[in-house]
Parts: sequence; structure tokens; C-alpha cells
Amino acid sequence: NAGVTQTPKFQVLKTGQSMTLQCAQDMNHEYMSWYRQDPGMGLRLIHYSVGAGITDQGEVPNGYNVSRSTTEDFPLRLLSAAPSQTSVYFCASSPRDRPYEQYFGPGTRLTVT
Amino acid sequence: AQSVSQHNHHVILSEAASLELGCNYSYGGTVNLFWYVQYPGQHLQLLLKYFSGDPLVKGIKGFEAEFIKSKFSFNLRKPSVQWSDTAEYFCAVNAFRNGNKLVFGAGTILRVKS
Repeated sequence: NAGVTQTPKFQVLKTGQSMTLQCAQDMNHEYMSWYRQDPGMGLRLIHYSVGAGITDQGEVPNGYNVSRSTTEDFPLRLLSAAPSQTSVYFCASSPRDRPYEQYFGPGTRLTVT
Repeated sequence: AQSVSQHNHHVILSEAASLELGCNYSYGGTVNLFWYVQYPGQHLQLLLKYFSGDPLVKGIKGFEAEFIKSKFSFNLRKPSVQWSDTAEYFCAVNAFRNGNKLVFGAGTILRVKS
């Protein structure tokens, strides 16, 4: 098993550009989540999904969109990047019977100039 | 507001020193508790977890944590740290009222001097 994979590892965007961060898992987990990690603030939940076709907002959803068309994939879209979105983004997945026991991907470091 | 608090943002220890990192949460009711570790340049890994039963939980690499319900605390301990324990440590809480969401503390950066 590859676990949770994320691409790209690094990305630099200009303000106003859009992009999609990719996340995939091969553990057949129903639950998937996106977090952003900022110094001194821990991890904050952006969006999450409890299964294909179902998504919901987390703590800091503004400026981000998600979709979940398959169990494996959970892409995060930045519609119009802003410097405040400079962060490290982590995707996580967890099984239905232990939804809070999350497995994290390696992260994407995003810089918006 | 309900939250997870980690008291120390930076901790510096010498090798062989004992470690205790504090974690307090403000959720009432049933909780599941976690410590995650992030080594430099790596992603978060689960260090240990508490769901129920014995409040003293043992994890990987000699770490343990004690759940004290009356104090709303879940402190992480290790009797003798090694240079390889240099990492950032995150406490996380799942409260049943929050469904499957995990709420993370701000993290504690541990540097172990060799």
C-alpha cells in the first residue's frame, strides 16, 4: 500500500492563480480530510468527506473547493490564490469504523506571492 | 471556545533528559485522544491514542501518555529522550459531539541536544 499520496510536493503561485492539490489513498478509507498547517496554529480542518459524493466544510473553508467523485481521490481546489493561503497542506484518510484515527499524506508546501 | 491547548511551543532538552509535554482540552463528555509526531521534513505519524480503558497509554519509541479525566489532560511523557526525538508533537482530540473531526493543538517543537 502506498497509503495517502499528495501531489505536488511544492508549488509557487501568483496571487489570483488557481490550482488543484491532488490527494489519493489506496486503503479504501471512507473518510478523507484536508488540513492546513501554519506555524503556531497546529492543523486546521479545511474540508472533509465521509464518502464519495459527500463533502462538508471544516474550520477554514473559505477560498477552497473540494469534490469526492471516487473513494480514492479527494482534490482540493484553490479558486483564486491569495498570500494568506501560503501554508503546508495535508490530506488525511480514515476508515469508517475509526473515522478519527487519521493517516496523513506527506504534504504540499504552497507559496503564494 | 472549545479547544486543545499545548502549553509549551518550544522545548529544548539534552539527551537522556525526561520529557513531559502538556495537553489540555475543553470538551466535555466522551473523547478520543491522540498524539501525533512530525519529524523534520516528514508527514504526521500517529504516536499513540486513547479511546477507553487504562488511562496510561503506551505508544511507539518509548512514549507514553496519561489521560486524567478530572483535569481534561493528556500529557505525553518519555523517561529519556534521544536526539532522534527532535520533532514537532501535536495533541489532537476527537469529541463525540464533533463527529469524526479531529481538533489539533498548536504543536510543541522539541529539540534534543546531543
